[in-house]
Amino acid sequence: DAGVIQSPRHEVTEMGQEVTLRCKPISGHDYLFWYRQTMMRGLELLIYFNNNVPIDDSGMPEDRFSAKMPNASFSTLKIQPSEPRDSAVYFCASSLSGRETQYFGPGTRLLVL
Amino acid sequence: AQSVTQPDIHITVSEGASLELRCNYSYGATPYLFWYVQSPGQGLQLLLKYFSGDTLVQGIKGFEAEFKRSQSSFNLRKPSVHWSDAAEYFCAVDPSGNTGKLIFGQGTTLQVKP
Repeated sequence: DAGVIQSPRHEVTEMGQEVTLRCKPISGHDYLFWYRQTMMRGLELLIYFNNNVPIDDSGMPEDRFSAKMPNASFSTLKIQPSEPRDSAVYFCASSLSGRETQYFGPGTRLLVL
Repeated sequence: AQSVTQPDIHITVSEGASLELRCNYSYGATPYLFWYVQSPGQGLQLLLKYFSGDTLVQGIKGFEAEFKRSQSSFNLRKPSVHWSDAAEYFCAVDPSGNTGKLIFGQGTTLQVKP
């Protein structure tokens, strides 16, 4: 398997623009997680899905952030409108179940100017 | 408050020396415990995990960790460090035990001197 795939790997945008990050989990994995990594706050869980259903979005910072999982092989994290403080590395991870190993993608490095 | 603490932000060791990275957590029950490693520009890779049973856990790349309930600690060790071990190391807990909702420590950056 190719592992968790994220796109784009790098994104530079201007404040106010919409940003969409994409994730393809490992085939057969029922759980999908979105994380954000910053120097100030470290690695934070934003939201996770089980069988395409959002289970816990308590980590989503505000209404500007939204995540969807329309099918088992694709998820998006959208920021609209983006702000400079959203600059971070965003990771997607997937696992077979809640207690199984999470496999992380390479991340998307987002810079909002 | 519930938290995961990695007291050492940065550690430097000589190649061939032993290594111990500290991790403490503050949760009532014994959570599921994990150590991940992140190489520069990469995602995280699981080194090892503890759910129950033997408190000494073996992982990949020669790492091991010991769970000590009395100290609420889960320290990572390696007897002889290689230059390729230079990376950032994260301790994480799943307080619920089965949701996958991980809480990460702030990370420890390991530098290896030749």
